[in-house]
Amino acid sequence: NAGVTQTPKFQVLKTGQSMTLQCAQDMNHNSMYWYRQDPGMGLRLIYYSASEGTTDKGEVPNGYNVSRLNKREFSLRLESAAPSQTSVYFCATSSIQGRNSPLHFGNGTRLTVT
Amino acid sequence: GESVGLHLPTLSVQEGDNSIINCAYSNSASDYFIWYKQESGKGPQFIIDIRSNMDKRQGQRVTVLLNKTVKHLSLQIAATQPGDSAVYFCAERPLVSDYKLSFGAGTTVTVRA
Repeated sequence: NAGVTQTPKFQVLKTGQSMTLQCAQDMNHNSMYWYRQDPGMGLRLIYYSASEGTTDKGEVPNGYNVSRLNKREFSLRLESAAPSQTSVYFCATSSIQGRNSPLHFGNGTRLTVT
Repeated sequence: GESVGLHLPTLSVQEGDNSIINCAYSNSASDYFIWYKQESGKGPQFIIDIRSNMDKRQGQRVTVLLNKTVKHLSLQIAATQPGDSAVYFCAERPLVSDYKLSFGAGTTVTVRA
């Protein structure tokens, strides 16, 4: 039982390059999320998908796009990477739409943009 | 704006002692709170949660206390072990938000042998 799997684990990009971060879950959860984590700033929500077929912006969506491919998979795309997007990206899931359900996180993708 | 904050960025604890990690929140409308543990190189791991209609909840070696009067949340770890060394985050969910969790910056706990 893998839980939440993120690929790749590490990535280095040059400014202006594009890439897609992949997330897959086998927990049969409805909701999926993308967060970024920066030193001293806590986790900030980029985008989320309450259920298959829906996506919504979080706190820091600029420069990102997402796709909820099916119930299991939720990808995050950087169309033109910038150094400010250097961060650790976490995908998370939750089982109940909305309230009172903890998030379950993957182990992250560490992205460096030079 | 609303924020979730932790009183201390670091905490050093002797192995076997009890640990108390504190969290202050400012949004009185939050109704759900979670504690996470994050080890180096890994994602946050769920520890325990509590709803606003409760004051206390216990898990295995952990207890979360919620004081809504002073908007304070704490995590108590009994008989701290070396494996408890990690960064601990509290998170809150405002009542008006179904999906958004606000996270604090975290407290780094180091267990001394």
